Amino acid sequence: SSDLTQDPAVSVAVGQTVRITCQGDSLRTYYASWYQQKPGQAPVLVIYGKNNRPSGIPDRFSGSSSGNTASLTITGAQAEDEADYYCNSRDSSSYHVEFGGGTKLTVL
Amino acid sequence: QVQLVQSGAEVKKPGASVKVSCKAFAYTFTYFDINWVRQAPGQGLEWMGWMNPNSGNTGYAQKFQGRVTITKNTSISTAYLELSSLRSEDTAVYYCARRFNHDYPWAFDPWGQGTLVTVSS
Repeated sequence: SSDLTQDPAVSVAVGQTVRITCQGDSLRTYYASWYQQKPGQAPVLVIYGKNNRPSGIPDRFSGSSSGNTASLTITGAQAEDEADYYCNSRDSSSYHVEFGGGTKLTVL
Repeated sequence: QVQLVQSGAEVKKPGASVKVSCKAFAYTFTYFDINWVRQAPGQGLEWMGWMNPNSGNTGYAQKFQGRVTITKNTSISTAYLELSSLRSEDTAVYYCARRFNHDYPWAFDPWGQGTLVTVSS
């Protein structure tokens, strides 16, 4: 089991805004990274650090953090955003990494 | 472009070992950590361990300690994951993933295409 907790499933209408959250004690110290994974594909990094997007990631993806909760926000969701989203961070007590359980995003 | 290319699918019997390779292209192999992450069918991502390709230093998730070894061959820019004493629960897609930059060790990009390891008698 993971020490990072995500809601298993979230849905959003096309064009609307959706927030996907990740909770865990390590997030009080370390920023989360966020990954998008579509069926049959490898994960893709969409947000890292305070709120940074790798090249090629649309600016509708943004990240934020407060206390023990990190959030990934998609502003104006598109059909192609339907995917599983995972957070990860550094374990508070080691150099190890932990992943959240993932959130399945459905775009209606 | 920067990419990681993994070896092909494997089928192993319980108790055997498997070794998966991950070859790096278009960047200096020794500059960025390599991590290994697995995903069982229909399940989430599970971090297994990391390696610094420059120093050879490694770290492994507690769950896999004693069964997993990450190694490298710098001359061919390739990292390896070896998992021993395989059991059916080890059936999964195994991914290598590069540390994205030097500020955030747990931000991974790019990822390899994945290697399916099936453990079955």
